[in-house]
Amino acid sequence: DADVTQTPRNRITKTGKRIMLECSQTKGHDRMYWYRQDPGLGLRLIYYSFDVKDINKGEISDGYSVSRQAQAKFSLSLESAIPNQTALYFCATSDGDRGGEKLFFGSGTQLSVL
Amino acid sequence: GQNIDQPTEMTATEGAIVQINCTYQTSGFNGLFWYQQHAGEAPTFLSYNVLDGLEEKGRFSSFLSRSKGYSYLLLKELQMKDSASYLCAVPEDSGYALNFGKGTSLLVTP
Repeated sequence: DADVTQTPRNRITKTGKRIMLECSQTKGHDRMYWYRQDPGLGLRLIYYSFDVKDINKGEISDGYSVSRQAQAKFSLSLESAIPNQTALYFCATSDGDRGGEKLFFGSGTQLSVL
Repeated sequence: GQNIDQPTEMTATEGAIVQINCTYQTSGFNGLFWYQQHAGEAPTFLSYNVLDGLEEKGRFSSFLSRSKGYSYLLLKELQMKDSASYLCAVPEDSGYALNFGKGTSLLVTP
């Protein structure tokens, strides 16, 4: 079983729809992250959380929101999806201090907004 | 902010050696990571350097010079399965999350 599980793996939606991407982990890590990946732009940080009561904006948080429902669960929402949010989304975890430990990534969610 | 630069694409021959460079600018320094990402898959950890010098791990080695803001990933005895993107990453200035370069797409040819 995967240590970091993302659902769904693929999603096609229409402009204006609300979408939630879910991430759960069995690694027992406190730190969880959401990144998006676009061709030619690399991985960019959307939000991160260091525990259930801690939520931080990343480089490109506009248009997104997150919820840390439990240590093991971190969901990403697009309140009103737009086409330029079409991307590959990755959830990741780490147990490190000040970013010094490696990230463990989920398999990704390919989102297409029409 | 940070600026992480690496070449966009590289091509090398099976059995050869290839060096993928990465330069970075950061106000603080908390180490440098290399990740491998095959097409359509998640990135996977390759190496972490926090001190200057070369770290060898099988066919892959990673080098760091903090004074020059420079790292490279060295892949020896290239295999076809090494065709992938290689991502250089450094913790953001706050130290609390990783910033990634745009990645280097490596194509290994027969």
